[in-house]
Amino acid sequence: QQQVKQSPQSLIVQKGGISIINCAYENTAFDYFPWYQQFPGKGPALLIAIRPDVSEKKEGRFTISFNKSAKQFSLHIMDSQPGDSATYFCAAFGNEKLTFGTGTRLTIIP
Amino acid sequence: ETGVTQTPRHLVMGMTNKKSLKCEQHLGHNAMYWYKQSAKKPLELMFVYSLEERVENNSVPSRFSPECPNSSHLFLHLHTLQPEDSALYLCASSLTRRLPAFFGQGTRLTVV
Repeated sequence: QQQVKQSPQSLIVQKGGISIINCAYENTAFDYFPWYQQFPGKGPALLIAIRPDVSEKKEGRFTISFNKSAKQFSLHIMDSQPGDSATYFCAAFGNEKLTFGTGTRLTIIP
Repeated sequence: ETGVTQTPRHLVMGMTNKKSLKCEQHLGHNAMYWYKQSAKKPLELMFVYSLEERVENNSVPSRFSPECPNSSHLFLHLHTLQPEDSALYLCASSLTRRLPAFFGQGTRLTVV
């Protein structure tokens, strides 16, 4: 049973645009929601994370929006750049276990 | 560079071979993990070690055998693998099991 659903599977955005990736979860025991960025040939790297007691967290061009009642959270990348092209994974942490979404391959075109 | 180093980066092995993957971290972390990454699937947690003791084994076939001789090193011993075991194997570490993990670059394994 997939506990974290991520969409879309792939996304193409023009340079300067806003990239939006969505995730939904079911298990209310999750209490920490990180996003990972993975470039080809590399392992995932922690990008930004949020706890459910806040609705938004911003770090530079990256923002997580969190809707606790809907059990949904999303990653927004403002002013998307070609260097942002990578695969992004949402995850949810609870009961000492990290559960990942299936990933979104983001491509930023000039 | 995340501080988690995996070797080798690439490995091709036959189904009758025995090989080992190595992971090393000198971050002072107490928890280490093996994950399997296959195309279009969520990362699959295989094993978790905390303070050198295996604390989680997610129904992984016995042809995968982990070893954690100390808190800085983690091995994954492989024997009689199947072609469907071909994947990227990622090692990760964290200060405690409460924190999200930092990943190595992975070993790309191909079973022929």
